[in-house]
Amino acid sequence: EVQLVESGGGLVQPGGSLRLSCAGSGFTFSSYAMHWVRQAPGKGLEYVSGITVNGGITYYADSVKGRFTISRDNSKNTVYLQMGGLKTEDMAVYYCARDSGTAMLGGSDVWGKGTTVTVSS
Amino acid sequence: DIQMTQSPSSLSASVGDRVSITCRASQSISTYLNWYQQKPGKAPKLLIYAASSLESGVPSRFSGSGSGTDFTLTISSLQPEDFATYYCQQSYRTPPLTFGGGTKVEIK
Repeated sequence: EVQLVESGGGLVQPGGSLRLSCAGSGFTFSSYAMHWVRQAPGKGLEYVSGITVNGGITYYADSVKGRFTISRDNSKNTVYLQMGGLKTEDMAVYYCARDSGTAMLGGSDVWGKGTTVTVSS
Repeated sequence: DIQMTQSPSSLSASVGDRVSITCRASQSISTYLNWYQQKPGKAPKLLIYAASSLESGVPSRFSGSGSGTDFTLTISSLQPEDFATYYCQQSYRTPPLTFGGGTKVEIK
């Protein structure tokens, strides 16, 4: 079964850091670009970050640029999102999503169930 | 960044109705437009990619059309399981792959 499982969410104070992980299984992980998308409580979907198949190119929304870092380890079938300088507006469910291919042109066809990040003092 | 605007933000419809949702891009995105369905507490599900291609396993009552800046998602005959929120997303050139604000389809 093709699957993505996120982990690493939790409660963190403003200004703190957190690392999210997303483990893929049931497919050739190294053949797909990967993305992180978040959804604040009661709000819509917001694109956060993306990474190419070999990790050579990364992309970020302006709202997280300079604070978040995406990376991947194809030997572990895992993509990461290192989050720093967390703000209350970063509080959301974070989804990991598989791109339908390598070129990030055809949408995300596999999604994890999400991990919740709460930013509060 | 490319901005995506969906309308309406919500609609009420009955089972069997034909429903259309529109999405407008702030610049031409050719046909690099995707549609997702999301139910409460669940992850989004890809319905349509490349503006009009139906994702495998998605019922044929869902269809997409458009190119350039204006796009439409149509549900030909609304079913009980279709009550959800729908999002468009552009995938033109490099990320960020921005989403529209969403359209909530509710039961009339």
